[in-house]
Amino acid sequence: KAGVTQTPRYLIKTRGQQVTLSCSPISGHRSVSWYQQTPGQGLQFLFEYFSETQRNKGNFPGRFSGRQFSNSRSEMNVSTLELGDSALYLCASSLRAGVYNEQFFGPGTRLTVL
Amino acid sequence: AQSVTQLDSHVSVSEGTPVLLRCNYSSSYSPSLFWYVQHPNKGLQLLLKYTSAATLVKGINGFEAEFKKSETSFHLTKPSAHMSDAAEYFCVVSVPYSGGGADGLTFGKGTHLIIQP
Repeated sequence: KAGVTQTPRYLIKTRGQQVTLSCSPISGHRSVSWYQQTPGQGLQFLFEYFSETQRNKGNFPGRFSGRQFSNSRSEMNVSTLELGDSALYLCASSLRAGVYNEQFFGPGTRLTVL
Repeated sequence: AQSVTQLDSHVSVSEGTPVLLRCNYSSSYSPSLFWYVQHPNKGLQLLLKYTSAATLVKGINGFEAEFKKSETSFHLTKPSAHMSDAAEYFCVVSVPYSGGGADGLTFGKGTHLIIQP
């Protein structure tokens, strides 16, 4: 069974631009969660989607948004990029709703904001 | 609210010797606790999880962890380190979504495990 895939793997943007990251979960998994990983703040939970609905949200500004499609694929969007948004963005999928269930992580998208 | 403290940012052991990675947590509710491992340029992989069943949890690759409520600890151990264990390890706490909060998963800052030959 294929694992979680994330595209693109690397991305370079400039301040003020917006970016969309994509995540395809493991087949059959309906929950997708997003995380931001930075050297300073470590790993932080962004949000969780289940059955196309945002189920849970971390403490991030409204510039960070996401959505989930009927095939469970998910996208994350960051508008008006800031230098501090440079990070590794990880996506994880799970069979059931709730981030306390076992999650399977993708390799991440490395975003660099110049 | 919940929080996780990984007591060591770096741990160095010799191959074949025991590994101990320390984690303390705080949570207002009965938590679920996890250990994840991240190898360089890879995503996270679940090592083991505690969800209020047995307090001694066995995971993959010979790792295990013991939940001690009185000490609010969830330390990760392995009897004999292998070179392939070199990686970043994260202790994670979670409580079920209450419908009103934003708890999700809370990660520790990570412990970098170094294996000396």
